[in-house]
Amino acid sequence: AQKVTQAQTEISVVEKEDVTLDCVYETRDTTYYLFWYKQPPSGELVFLIRRNSFDEQNEISGRYSWNFQKSTSSFNFTITASQVVDSAVYFCALTKLSFRQNFVFGPGTRLSVLP
Amino acid sequence: GAVVSQHPSWVICKSGTSVKIECRSLDFQATTMFWYRQFPKQSLMLMATSNEGSKATYEQGVEKDKFLINHASLTLSTLTVTSAHPEDSSFYICSARLALSYNEQFFGPGTRLTVL
Repeated sequence: AQKVTQAQTEISVVEKEDVTLDCVYETRDTTYYLFWYKQPPSGELVFLIRRNSFDEQNEISGRYSWNFQKSTSSFNFTITASQVVDSAVYFCALTKLSFRQNFVFGPGTRLSVLP
Repeated sequence: GAVVSQHPSWVICKSGTSVKIECRSLDFQATTMFWYRQFPKQSLMLMATSNEGSKATYEQGVEKDKFLINHASLTLSTLTVTSAHPEDSSFYICSARLALSYNEQFFGPGTRLTVL
């Protein structure tokens, strides 16, 4: 079975601080995809990144960066110089390589960035 | 990226009535669509997998007679909540998987259902 754990339920930081959101996953599959989504108060999921299990390179996109480590089954997300607009719930998700496979979501981390 | 729409975006209904939620892939074909439910301050939980032209597959604990799913075309899946009760109040999100794609899945904006 697949499982995603996000140990941090809620995080509060002051604007301009860096913050890392943790994600640990469990799967027996050798090929799979990992995702991060942002869910602002409006509710709509905003896609942030997709990473396949063969690609362990870290990725940076502006203030966002991701650290994928298969050895520890982790896919952590760092926001540098956080801004108030980053306040949202962030979900890590996992799906295996299958045409009909749904996403398995973690419980989410609620990030509050205070001015 | 591909666009998935949901209609309505929010609905308020009386207990005992039925509510239909539509999920449409606007610019691509989706042989598989998924329906998720999200209760306040909780994560998204899969309710059912909707396959075009066949019966939906429901997750354990989801009543198929209460949550009717129809996937009549490659661009439309509907979820009907029959005889809705206050405990059905939730945020319902659909996603559509691009045909023949392993990982291209796009989420709709969600429908907020409030049952009085």
